[in-house]
Amino acid sequence: AQSVSQHNHHVILSEAASLELGCNYSYGGTVNLFWYVQYPGQHLQLLLKYFSGDPLVKGIKGFEAEFIKSKFSFNLRKPSVQWSDTAEYFCAVIYSGNTGKLIFGQGTTLQVKP
Amino acid sequence: NAGVTQTPKFRVLKTGQSMTLLCAQDMNHEYMYWYRQDPGMGLRLIHYSVGEGTTAKGEVPDGYNVSRLKKQNFLLGLESAAPSQTSVYFCASSSALGLGQYFGPGTRLTVL
Repeated sequence: AQSVSQHNHHVILSEAASLELGCNYSYGGTVNLFWYVQYPGQHLQLLLKYFSGDPLVKGIKGFEAEFIKSKFSFNLRKPSVQWSDTAEYFCAVIYSGNTGKLIFGQGTTLQVKP
Repeated sequence: NAGVTQTPKFRVLKTGQSMTLLCAQDMNHEYMYWYRQDPGMGLRLIHYSVGEGTTAKGEVPDGYNVSRLKKQNFLLGLESAAPSQTSVYFCASSSALGLGQYFGPGTRLTVL
């Protein structure tokens, strides 16, 4: 079955620490990959996306993600987190031939301590 | 340009009551989606539409119906609400298959 797995459910970091959130998907075909962020009380916003080309993708607010096809992974990174990065982060995948449906991971709650 | 809007923002229902959630987008997007968000489960697709007059079932369609009479609107209906439908509901739209989706602000529904 097509699925997305986020390994870290709750991450707590201090400001200026580096962040890496894991995301793996289950299918080996063509995929479009996304990371969304949901700040407290707000709706989902697109952080970054990967369709093709350079597997290292840069998004907004200093986030980046690397697509590793051999590992079916699309991990999110940020070199130095800020308190304002406290939010829930969702990895999502669109599998080819799936009518554009996003399949979401369970989400990772990031808490950044000042 | 408001993007994707949802009404209402909050609602409390009693078991067995019915209601309709409205989603509207002003980006002329073909594709629209309804999700529910529950703790620890991410977002799950309820129903979606690939164009005006079309609807299709998603991952968790039971207990919900939808209609897309106008391109800009996508309605989600609960005919007989159950406590298991307590959730936050998000609507989204996209211009084409495979592209990222734009999300609305959500509707928090509580069924007592």
